[in-house]
Amino acid sequence: EVQLVQSGAEVRKPGESLKISCKASGYNFLDYWIAWVRQVPGKGLEWMGIIYPGNSNTRYNPSFQGRVTITVDTSLATAYLQWAGLRASDTAKYYCGYKEAIEVWGQGTMVTVS
Amino acid sequence: DIVLTQSPDFLSVSPKERVTMTCRASQDIGTLVHWYQQKPSQSPKLLIMYASQSFSGVPSRFSGSGSGTEFTLTISGLEPEDAATYFCHQSGTTPWTFGQGTKVEIK
Repeated sequence: EVQLVQSGAEVRKPGESLKISCKASGYNFLDYWIAWVRQVPGKGLEWMGIIYPGNSNTRYNPSFQGRVTITVDTSLATAYLQWAGLRASDTAKYYCGYKEAIEVWGQGTMVTVS
Repeated sequence: DIVLTQSPDFLSVSPKERVTMTCRASQDIGTLVHWYQQKPSQSPKLLIMYASQSFSGVPSRFSGSGSGTEFTLTISGLEPEDAATYFCHQSGTTPWTFGQGTKVEIK
């Protein structure tokens, strides 16, 4: 069974850094895109970017490029989303997802910046 | 960026009725459109991929159609557990984008 398990909720102050994770299991991690999606509470879904673990090919939504970094650690079958300087407007739930048509979603990581 | 516009924004429907919602794309994206269901406090779930292919385990009352710039998700016989927000998503061109969602309420 394919599973994506995300790290727990985080609270940070503006300007602080953060790295959240998404651990994959049940399939060959190298073979499929991992996407990151943001959802502000009560709002819709925003695609942030994708990474192909097989070669670390990464594509960002221009709206998020320069503000976040997407990486993988293939030895841990884990994808990461990180910020160097958080803003209050980054408060949201962040999901990782597997494959182009996102067949499996992580449970989400709530990030609160205040 | 490709803009996906869903209509309507909200539907209030009685059980067993047929529900149809639309997703219009600002450019031709072939059949690279997928549909998700999201209930409050839950992660989205894939219903339909590549415009018309049902994802494994999804009830047969959910179906999708369309190509190019217009896509439709149909629920043929609404069940109470179908109360949710439905999103379309295009993977034809990066940045991938999502529609704003259609919220379905059970009368």
